[in-house]
Amino acid sequence: NAGVTQTPKFQVLKTGQSMTLQCAQDMNHNSMYWYRQDPGMGLRLIYYSASEGTTDKGEVPNGYNVSRLNKREFSLRLESAAPSQTSVYFCASSEYGPQETQYFGPGTRLLVL
Amino acid sequence: AQSVTQLDSQVPVFEEAPVELRCNYSSSVSVYLFWYVQYPNQGLQLLLKYLSGSTLVKSINGFEAEFNKSQTSFHLRKPSVHISDTAEYFCAVSEIKAAGNKLTFGGGTRVLVKP
Repeated sequence: NAGVTQTPKFQVLKTGQSMTLQCAQDMNHNSMYWYRQDPGMGLRLIYYSASEGTTDKGEVPNGYNVSRLNKREFSLRLESAAPSQTSVYFCASSEYGPQETQYFGPGTRLLVL
Repeated sequence: AQSVTQLDSQVPVFEEAPVELRCNYSSSVSVYLFWYVQYPNQGLQLLLKYLSGSTLVKSINGFEAEFNKSQTSFHLRKPSVHISDTAEYFCAVSEIKAAGNKLTFGGGTRVLVKP
């Protein structure tokens, strides 16, 4: 039981390049999330998927797109990377509902030059 | 919309001493409250949460937090810390009637336990 897995662990991009961050969970959770973590700012929600087939914007969606490929997988795409997107990205999953615990992946460190 | 303020960005503390991490929130609706912990180079994991009932909630590793509705606070305490408690701690809230589980996090408090 791997929980939430993310690939890659680390990535360096040049400004303007694109990439997709992959996330998968094996807990049969309905809801999945993408956050970014920046020093002193905690975690900020980029996009979330409350259930398979739905996606919604979070607090900081600009410059990102997401795809809920199936119940297990939720990917985050940067179409044209900018230095401001240098961050640590976390994927999480949970059962549906505001009282539910979120389970986080190990994170992806992204550096945009 | 909600907001969460963690008043201390860093808290150095000696081993076996007590520690308190302060968390205040602002919301126009009722919320659930969470504390998550992030050990070095790892993702976050739940420490404890308040949903309803007794305002004092406890974790399995000795932490406790008290929900104070009048002061809109959810401070985290441990009476005696260990070296292994060195981590970053995040307070978070979610709206009780929200669809899904959108968490709003505070900025985090780094706890450094010194021997």
